[in-house]
Amino acid sequence: SQQGEEDPQALSIQEGENATMNCSYKTSINNLQWYRQNSGRGLVHLILIRSNEREKHSGRLRVTLDTSKKSSSLLITASRAADTASYFCATDGNNAGNMLTFGGGTRLMVKP
Amino acid sequence: DTEVTQTPKHLVMGMTNKKSLKCEQHMGHRAMYWYKQKAKKPPELMFVYSYEKLSINESVPSRFSPECPNSSLLNLHLHALQPEDSALYLCASSRDRGWTDTQYFGPGTRLTVL
Repeated sequence: SQQGEEDPQALSIQEGENATMNCSYKTSINNLQWYRQNSGRGLVHLILIRSNEREKHSGRLRVTLDTSKKSSSLLITASRAADTASYFCATDGNNAGNMLTFGGGTRLMVKP
Repeated sequence: DTEVTQTPKHLVMGMTNKKSLKCEQHMGHRAMYWYKQKAKKPPELMFVYSYEKLSINESVPSRFSPECPNSSLLNLHLHALQPEDSALYLCASSRDRGWTDTQYFGPGTRLTVL
């Protein structure tokens, strides 16, 4: 079963708008990661946030983590057509080692 | 070099064939992973190798047989597959199996079983 569930499943916005994706998970974690996947290709690591962190920034990306609600959000500001991809959150489930469990993913389409 | 390479990019095989998927990294990473991804689904972990030893097998059928010949290479041997095994197979590596180690993914092998 999936550790993380993502919302929305699909999102369509205009270039320049902000995109927000949410991820919920079930068990305690050490960290939560976000990955991007262009259609039919490998995953690219975007950002990692540790369980003792609440917010992290990387360029146009902002990630928040609320461990009390077991949820995280990924905000992409000033979106570009090149941001069109699927976005997955992944958690380690507080297990021994780097075993990632991925959420269902959000398919983002940014229209030029 | 932060690249993980996978060959072949595409593979079509019959249910009686034997084939292998290959994965290579030259980042000095000591943990390597195989994932399976069906269309419009998230990747699912199959195997984890740590220091060339199989450390995790996520209840994968024996028709999938992983092998780690050395610290840079990871193979997935396929035999007697079923059509439902058709998927994108992703390889990944990380510095170690630590909790904060980023996993670097290859582009995947698109497998079709006829």
